[in-house]
Amino acid sequence: EVQLVQSGAEVRKPGESLEISCKASGYRFTDYWIGWVRQMPGKGLEWMGSISPRDSNTRYSTRYSPSFQGQVTISVDKSVTTAYLQWSSLKASDTAMYYCARLQGGLMTQFAYWGQGTVVTVSS
Amino acid sequence: NFMLTQPHSVSESPEKTVTISCTRNSGSIANNYVQWYQQRPGSAPTIVIYEGTQRPSGVPDRFSGSIDTSSNSASLTISGLKTEDEADYYCQSYDNNIVVFGGGTKLTV
Repeated sequence: EVQLVQSGAEVRKPGESLEISCKASGYRFTDYWIGWVRQMPGKGLEWMGSISPRDSNTRYSTRYSPSFQGQVTISVDKSVTTAYLQWSSLKASDTAMYYCARLQGGLMTQFAYWGQGTVVTVSS
Repeated sequence: NFMLTQPHSVSESPEKTVTISCTRNSGSIANNYVQWYQQRPGSAPTIVIYEGTQRPSGVPDRFSGSIDTSSNSASLTISGLKTEDEADYYCQSYDNNIVVFGGGTKLTV
């Protein structure tokens, strides 16, 4: 059974750094891209970016939405089949629910499986 | 990049049929597959239609997807509406290594 289990809720102050995680199981980790999706309170889904665990160290392994390029970093650790979403300096506007989702193949496929979400609250 | 536009909300009675549209503003809707996701309150999204018309296992055949190139739009149709179908629905597509979601439609049953 494919499972994506995300880390717990986080509360941070503006300017602080943060990394949230998405532990994958039930399939070969390197065979499928993983993406991150933001949902701000009361708003819709926004694609942030996706990564190929197979090619995670190559130039073309990660794709970012233009809206999030340079704002976050997506990475994976194949040894623990986990994907990460990282901020170096949080803003209040980063307050949202964040979902990881496994694609059904490459980047241009559907988000077939979703994590339960991680709530991030940024407040002074 | 392109945008996908959905109606903000739709409402229909139980046992009726409802259709939710998703219009692409540039580029052909047929160039890339369209997916549909259901998000019930307080839950993560789940996929109900992929590749325009395909239903994942476990999704009732009351859910169907279609493409209309004349209006450059995709549609999600739910027949025999049940109260459990009340949720937000999002279309999604991609192009040039960019993934785009529609703004979402709130379905009230």
